[in-house]
Formats: sequence, C-alpha cells, structure tokens
Amino acid sequence: TQLLEQSPQFLSIQEGENLTVYCNSSSVFSSLQWYRQEPGEGPVLLVTVVTGGEVKKLKRLTFQFGDARKDSSLHITAAQPGDTGLYLCAGARYSSASKIIFGSGTRLSIRP
Amino acid sequence: GAVVSQHPSWVICKSGTSVKIECRSLDFQATTMFWYRQFPKQSLMLMATSNEGSKATYEQGVEKDKFLINHASLTLSTLTVTSAHPEDSSFYICSARNNRGSNQPQHFGDGTRLSIL
Repeated sequence: TQLLEQSPQFLSIQEGENLTVYCNSSSVFSSLQWYRQEPGEGPVLLVTVVTGGEVKKLKRLTFQFGDARKDSSLHITAAQPGDTGLYLCAGARYSSASKIIFGSGTRLSIRP
Repeated sequence: GAVVSQHPSWVICKSGTSVKIECRSLDFQATTMFWYRQFPKQSLMLMATSNEGSKATYEQGVEKDKFLINHASLTLSTLTVTSAHPEDSSFYICSARNNRGSNQPQHFGDGTRLSIL
C-alpha cells in the first residue's frame, strides 16, 4: 500500500491543454515536495510546500498544499512537450521528518 | 547549487557478483544520506537512511545483509549489493542532505542502473 497515492497514473494530452495531478494521503505531512524525473536521471525538485493551504507558482505550474496537509495538487497551464516526464510528490511526516516518502508517480506525455 | 554524484552510472555484472555504488556530495557536508530503488515505470522506494558515522536504518523488507551501506565520511556513502541476482536489477538512486539548519533540501544523484545477468 502506497502512503501517497497519485492520480492519474498516466496522462497523455495535446500541447496547449491544461492538466491537474493529485497527490493524496490519509496521513498528515510536515512538508510536501514535487519532483520531475527524466528517464535515466535522478528526480529534480520543483517546489516545497510547508503551510496548509499554501499555493506556489512556478511559471505555468501551480502547486497547492491542502488545508489539512494531507494532499496536494499540481496544475499545469498550456502544457508543452518539454513538460513530459514522471512527476512525483514526496512527503515528510512529522513522526520521521528526517526522511521523505515518494508518491506512486504520474507519467505525463504531452503530444505536439 | 548543491551537487550529488553517483558512480558508476551503469553497471552490468554476472549473477553472484557483489557491486559497490558510490554516492558523493561535492560541495556540502551530507550528514544524512538516503538510498532508493526504482523499478521500471514505478516510483522511488526508500531502502535505507544513513547518518554519518552511524549504522544505517533500513526500511521494512530491505535485507541489511544484502544491501550493505557505509557512511564513513560527510561526503561519501556506499551501497554494496552482495551476491547480486537478476531480481536485484534496478535503478538505484542516492540523495544527501545537510541536517544542520532547518528545512534543508535533499539533493539527488543521477542514479545507477544495475543489470545482473
């Protein structure tokens, strides 16, 4: 059983469309991060959210941390082929803040 | 920015061989290092956490005698897969963090692809 469940698992959309990826858990997290990973490489940090209800924007990407700190979403506006990759959420729990646990992942493909 | 280097990036070896993977923090002191394993089309699964100078803490289901972790200095951790078998073939990723100071990020290496024949 995955502690952090992401949905959808796979998403293939046309360039220019908008999309949202969700990261859900029954546990509370002290912070939550989003990463993007390219094939054969390590994950690259996109953002860290630490406050319930927090919203952060990174160009066309908008990240939100749920009020209860149990879930998060990533919204991409006007997706581009360069956005293609594996998106991973990862959370640090209060009980073991020294380590982060990764979500199940969302594989995104943007068609030109 | 902070850089974590893994070596080798790719290794193929025969079944029964032991393989060592190195993880180095190049421009910061890594008080804590993490080792993850990632199977194709899956997410990263944490294998173990190691603090410099201490024994590693392994996640449930990870055999400590199979995956030997050494973190003897603030810039180097090694993972040795002992007597590797084809089912150990995977993408192994390390990450490192300096726990001195609050909200320090984890920095990830580029991974090591291990293939056991």
